[in-house]
Amino acid sequence: DAGVIQSPRHEVTEMGQEVTLRCKPISGHNSLFWYRQTMMRGLELLIYFNNNVPIDDSGMPEDRFSAKMPNASFSTLKIQPSEPRDSAVYFCASSIRDRKDNEQFFGPGTRLTVL
Amino acid sequence: QKEVEQDPGPLSVPEGAIVSLNCTYSNSAFQYFMWYRQYSRKGPELLMYTYSSGNKEDGRFTAQVDKSSKYISLFIRDSQPSDSATYLCAMRPPYNFNKFYFGSGTKLNVKP
Repeated sequence: DAGVIQSPRHEVTEMGQEVTLRCKPISGHNSLFWYRQTMMRGLELLIYFNNNVPIDDSGMPEDRFSAKMPNASFSTLKIQPSEPRDSAVYFCASSIRDRKDNEQFFGPGTRLTVL
Repeated sequence: QKEVEQDPGPLSVPEGAIVSLNCTYSNSAFQYFMWYRQYSRKGPELLMYTYSSGNKEDGRFTAQVDKSSKYISLFIRDSQPSDSATYLCAMRPPYNFNKFYFGSGTKLNVKP
């Protein structure tokens, strides 16, 4: 199993540009999570999906952020326009939904730098 | 106040030492407790998973939960340089299988 796949691994962009992060969850997993990690705030849940449907987006910082999951094997997190304070490592994770002992499997992350 | 508090460290110990990592939390509804390990420039990976109160042991690792004090611990015996990583605690209530609340992580360095 390839695990959770994220692309790109690194992204450097200028303020005001659109950024799209991509995630392919583990096959058979039906929950998908987007997290952001910074030194100051730690690991924050941005949004999660069950069966491709957004369930909780209360962690999305503002309207500049949007996430989609068009099918069970692909999700995107978009930032438009990007700002320097968006610089962070963005993780995608997947799990099998609604299991008592469910484990979230994390991807390697996308390190985003906004200049 | 954050729901889960964790000392960020860094914690530096010599090889072979016993390490104690801790988290406190404020939500008494939390019943499922996890420890994740994150190596530099990698994603977190699950280390241990415990339910409610008590101890759980897995090799050199022991997870302890004290619900009355809202306090969880991870002990590492005979620590190795390969244990050098950031350790994040996570927890969730019984009514939401999917929403985990993470601590900010404690960075551990085990010196050879």
